[in-house]
Amino acid sequence: QVTLKESGPGILQPSQTLSLTCTFSGFSLSTYGMGVGWIRQPSGKGLEWLANIWWDDDKYYNPSLKNRLTISKDTSNNQAFLKITNVDTADTATYYCARQGYVITTTGFDYWGQGVMVTVSS
Amino acid sequence: DIVLTQSPALAVSLGQRATISCRASQSVSTSSYNLMHWYQQKPGEQPKLLIYDASNLASGIPVRFSGSGSGTDFTLTINPVQADDIATYYCQQSRELPLTFGSGTKLEIK
Repeated sequence: QVTLKESGPGILQPSQTLSLTCTFSGFSLSTYGMGVGWIRQPSGKGLEWLANIWWDDDKYYNPSLKNRLTISKDTSNNQAFLKITNVDTADTATYYCARQGYVITTTGFDYWGQGVMVTVSS
Repeated sequence: DIVLTQSPALAVSLGQRATISCRASQSVSTSSYNLMHWYQQKPGEQPKLLIYDASNLASGIPVRFSGSGSGTDFTLTINPVQADDIATYYCQQSRELPLTFGSGTKLEIK
């Protein structure tokens, strides 16, 4: 059974660094073709892909967030991480982690966490 | 970036067919694959994968959901619509980075 769960600070102030953790089970990020992505959703709005990390440690980022994102993983503890530096109110959203696969091409996100709400406020 | 365009809302009667469209600003197909996926999101819940690679039903999804399309035009069909299908539906492409989502179509009951 595949599960993912996000955790984060809840509230933080502008200019701080947001650190998010995705703890998962039922698959391994050391298995060929496995990946974890981060996606966010401001309240009442659509979905925005942020970053992906793959079994071979390849990493991909959404250029719209320029150099603010860092994705990493801890394979032995089944965790993936996302850091967003210099946050502002526009980063207020629910943040999801989700599993993605790669066979010949990348698949859809087939399992999602429940999401963690993050508020940036002074 | 590949922009995916969806209509904001669709109203259908229970038991009828719902057709939700997604148009891409450029092709999301390769010679072998149509890299468009569909998700359902109910209020307060995470998205759920319904269809992958344009027409493949994800695990556990009822057969009244189906997908079709290639190139730039894709369709999600729900037939027949049930009350539990009230949700917002998103398309997403994986042809090119950055991965992008449509703005969502909210399915309403007429």
